[in-house]
Amino acid sequence: EVQLVESGGGLVQPGGSLRLSCAASGFTLSDHYMHWVRQAPGKGLVWVSRINSDGSSANYVDSVRGRFTISRDNAKNTLYLQMNSLRAEDTALYYCTRGYRASHDYWGQGTLVTVSS
Amino acid sequence: DIQMTQSPSSLSASVGDRVTITCRASQSISSYLNWYQQKPGKAPNLLIYITSTLQSGVPSRFSGSGSGTDFTLTISSLQPEDFATYYCQQTHSTPFTFGPGTKVEIK
Repeated sequence: EVQLVESGGGLVQPGGSLRLSCAASGFTLSDHYMHWVRQAPGKGLVWVSRINSDGSSANYVDSVRGRFTISRDNAKNTLYLQMNSLRAEDTALYYCTRGYRASHDYWGQGTLVTVSS
Repeated sequence: DIQMTQSPSSLSASVGDRVTITCRASQSISSYLNWYQQKPGKAPNLLIYITSTLQSGVPSRFSGSGSGTDFTLTISSLQPEDFATYYCQQTHSTPFTFGPGTKVEIK
């Protein structure tokens, strides 16, 4: 059974940093692109970042480029999102998703990031 | 960036109704259009990918069509478990933008 389990969220002050992790199981991580998608409370879905299968290439939405870094450790079956210089507008539930045929076929349950003083 | 719009933003329908949701892209996205269903407090669930391919396990009452800039999601006979918010997403080019969502409510 495919499972994606996010962790690392929490309350952080503006300007602070957090590192999210996504533990993958039930499939071979290195076979898939992986993504992060976020959803602010009561709002819609926003695609944040994508990383290719071997971690050599990544893409970001403009609002996080230069502040967030996506990475992966296929040997540890884990996806990461390093988030620096956090802003109030980064407050959201962050989902880890598996890439499949230009879509997101599996989603984790999400980890909540709250940026507030 | 490619902008995605959906209409309507919400709708009220009865069990058994045929429901159609429209999604429009600001430029051609070929067939790179996906549909997701999200219920309150839950992660989104992939329904349809590449415009019209039904994800495994998704009931056949869901269907998708379109190409270029205009796409539709159709639920042929609405069931009680279908009351949710539906999002389209383009994956033609990054950033992979989502539509604002369509909330389907019980009439």
